Amino acid sequence: DSGVTQTPKHLITATGQRVTLRCSPRSGDLSVYWYQQSLDQGLQFLIQYYNGEERAKGNILERFSAQQFPDLHSELNLSSLELGDSALYFCASSVAPNRGATDTQYFGPGTRLTVL
Amino acid sequence: DQQVKQNSPSLSVQEGRISILNCDYTNSMFDYFLWYKKYPAEGPTFLISISSIKDKNEDGRFTVFLNKSAKHLSLHIVPSQPGDSAVYFCAASARFNSGGSNYKLTFGKGTLLTVNP
Repeated sequence: DSGVTQTPKHLITATGQRVTLRCSPRSGDLSVYWYQQSLDQGLQFLIQYYNGEERAKGNILERFSAQQFPDLHSELNLSSLELGDSALYFCASSVAPNRGATDTQYFGPGTRLTVL
Repeated sequence: DQQVKQNSPSLSVQEGRISILNCDYTNSMFDYFLWYKKYPAEGPTFLISISSIKDKNEDGRFTVFLNKSAKHLSLHIVPSQPGDSAVYFCAASARFNSGGSNYKLTFGKGTLLTVNP
């Protein structure tokens, strides 16, 4: 158990809909990262928050957005969903803002999103 | 453009033998490399890492070798155990923006290791 929790575990929805994925980081961790793993793909970095502020953006679509709340939990919002958005979405957390390359990221179990 | 490549989707090894998982990268700005292990229905778990200034790092049964000139790293597991059966992801870290203070992890697609009893 990494200490990172994600809800829900599974989500099935239809094209055009909007969903929210939730992540609670490990106790004491200030950074939260979101990753997408599509079929046969590695983990693609989407976005990072540190202590409530957006820190870095990766391959995140404009239809997707995220935020980190004062209690440090984070939500990833996916809107106007398309079939290709079906994937595993992982959240990870780390203590620091990843200034050092050695800042280990701890991953949650993921949310499996299926868009029909 | 895949900057981190794991060309073997799967590997099967007998218990007690050595498992060697390979990873190639193209970005010379990567300065830190990590291996993550992932069991089904779980998130990736950090396994071992190596800085670009080293060529070897060992932790128990796990050793990572880095060949910077070839832009290649490998993970050796000796001896392999059935509990090692999982997907192994290679990841590399580089500054997100040139001169910036933030690092970004780039992952390979993973290699499924099966250790047979």
